[in-house]
Amino acid sequence: GQSLEQPSEVTAVEGAIVQINCTYQTSGFYGLSWYQQHDGGAPTFLSYNALDGLEETGRFSSFLSRSDSYGYLLLQELQMKDSASYFCAVRDLVGDTDKLIFGTGTRLQVFP
Amino acid sequence: EAQVTQNPRYLITVTGKKLTVTCSQNMNHEYMSWYRQDPGLGLRQIYYSMNVEVTDKGDVPEGYKVSRKEKRNFPLILESPSPNQTSLYFCASSLDRVGIYEQYFGPGTRLTVT
Repeated sequence: GQSLEQPSEVTAVEGAIVQINCTYQTSGFYGLSWYQQHDGGAPTFLSYNALDGLEETGRFSSFLSRSDSYGYLLLQELQMKDSASYFCAVRDLVGDTDKLIFGTGTRLQVFP
Repeated sequence: EAQVTQNPRYLITVTGKKLTVTCSQNMNHEYMSWYRQDPGLGLRQIYYSMNVEVTDKGDVPEGYKVSRKEKRNFPLILESPSPNQTSLYFCASSLDRVGIYEQYFGPGTRLTVT
């Protein structure tokens, strides 16, 4: 079956660094994405890792280890506006089916 | 402005009354999806379409229908809604199946079935 696991909630203070982990189990892994969703809003794309290693985009970085079926999103210099839910998602490509499978999300609360 | 639009944004209906939620994108994207979001369950894919006239089931397709007659539109049809379909629904699109990792989401439709 397909499954993605991530912590349900993480808290941190402004200026800190936080890491949100994601472990996955899929039959046809083809890359790990991260999305951000503010309360009442739509998910928005943050980053994508197709290969092992670290991808950096400003204050956000994403890491992937395919051998460990594991990735994480690293948020640096946290700001209040980073309070949101974060979802990892994997592309599950098996035969003719091509789907994006989402985790259940991690709610990040940033405190002053 | 590049965007995905959904209508209606909010809908309250009764069990068994057929309804359609429209979805349209203006980015000439090939791949479109419908998701439902429920507390604690994340986003679950209902149906997806890799191109015009090509649709396939996602993980939770029961009780839903879709069609893709034009590239820009991907309506979601509930023939006989039931209370367990009360949820927040998102339409999304990506350039193509290769770019599936970067999806653009519509604003969402909050559906309540009584």
